[in-house]
Amino acid sequence: DAKTTQPPSMDCAEGRAANLPCNHSTISGNEYVYWYRQIHSQGPQYIIHGLKNNETNEMASLIITEDRKSSTLILPHATLRDTAVYYCIVSLPNYGQNFVFGPGTRLSVLP
Amino acid sequence: EPEVTQTPSHQVTQMGQEVILRCVPISNHLYFYWYRQILGQKVEFLVSFYNNEISEKSEIFDDQFSVERPDGSNFTLKIRSTKLEDSAMYFCASFRQGANYEQYFGPGTRLTVT
Repeated sequence: DAKTTQPPSMDCAEGRAANLPCNHSTISGNEYVYWYRQIHSQGPQYIIHGLKNNETNEMASLIITEDRKSSTLILPHATLRDTAVYYCIVSLPNYGQNFVFGPGTRLSVLP
Repeated sequence: EPEVTQTPSHQVTQMGQEVILRCVPISNHLYFYWYRQILGQKVEFLVSFYNNEISEKSEIFDDQFSVERPDGSNFTLKIRSTKLEDSAMYFCASFRQGANYEQYFGPGTRLTVT
């Protein structure tokens, strides 16, 4: 089973920030938090990952709480093309380590 | 930007037939994976592969499934005798340890068993 819990769905107005929460209270010290998204039935697309520091890239920001038991993915200016299912995954960054996907959060960006 | 490719994009087969799904991972990646997603359900891990052998497999990956890297570039998933419940999207992924640690996923093959 997935080690994360996410709300099943969220709405966001186009142009506004989308904040997607994830709980991972049983995360171990060397596990990373990864975020992927899946648009329709396409292959999951990598967004961002982090260990304990906040991270930012061209797609999103990842805020990880100090105790690492939860995190938030931030899409700063959501567009209609960001409508997708977003997955928060906790995993070791080692070879052969498979990803355990939960049901994710279905984000709908509304015009 | 390098990407994982998969062929075919859609495969229709009859129950009991063998199918081979093909993937071309990113060229300098060494770890390969197959996942599947039944319509409306979660993405599920099937198998991981490294150094020409299976590293890990799930309960789903039974004797009907096999994987192979036949020629140094392709990575294949074979289902020997397909069942109706094998109908799903099958995603290939590859990974290069020491980079950013992310797995890159292909676009998927939709398998329909009739």
